[in-house]
Amino acid sequence: NAGVTQTPKFRILKIGQSMTLQCTQDMNHNYMYWYRQDPGMGLKLIYYSVGAGITDKGEVPNGYNVSRSTTEDFPLRLELAAPSQTSVYFCASSYSRDSGEAFFGQGTRLTVV
Amino acid sequence: DAKTTQPNSMESNEEEPVHLPCNHSTISGTDYIHWYRQLPSQGPEYVIHGLTSNVNNRMASLAIAEDRKSSTLILHRATLRDAAVYYCILRLRSARQLTFGSGTQLTVLP
Repeated sequence: NAGVTQTPKFRILKIGQSMTLQCTQDMNHNYMYWYRQDPGMGLKLIYYSVGAGITDKGEVPNGYNVSRSTTEDFPLRLELAAPSQTSVYFCASSYSRDSGEAFFGQGTRLTVV
Repeated sequence: DAKTTQPNSMESNEEEPVHLPCNHSTISGTDYIHWYRQLPSQGPEYVIHGLTSNVNNRMASLAIAEDRKSSTLILHRATLRDAAVYYCILRLRSARQLTFGSGTQLTVLP
């Protein structure tokens, strides 16, 4: 099993550009999450989804959008990139809220210049 | 949400046990205690979780105080590969979110 796969691994964006961070999981998990991690800091929840067609905001949703059209995929969209969005982005998934274990991808390192 | 308090950093010698503390004085009866760790330049990985009883798995043990206001993650024999940031997280059984705090940076000395 591949687990949680994120693409790309690295990206440099110019201010005002847009991009989509891809996340896919092959474990048939209902719950999926997007986090950002600034240098030397903990993870902050951006958006999460409890199943296809259902998404909700986390702690820091401004400047981002998500969709969940399938169980496997949970893309994160940045519409107008800003320097404050320079960060490492992690996608994660788990079976349900009762599941102890969430699986994380390897991250996407994004720099906005 | 109930909060957790962890030391910013700890050191351990290789092949010795490590006890990582976590205080959660406002824990509710339905909060699970989860531990994750994040190795350098990697995504977090699940370590262990529990509700009331002590728990063991191949990676670690989780000791939960009788009043549940604190817990301790125990690595029985630290290796250099265990150097990571360890996060103690409370998760309501009904919660959809998984919220991280600042964690403890564990340094393992050879």
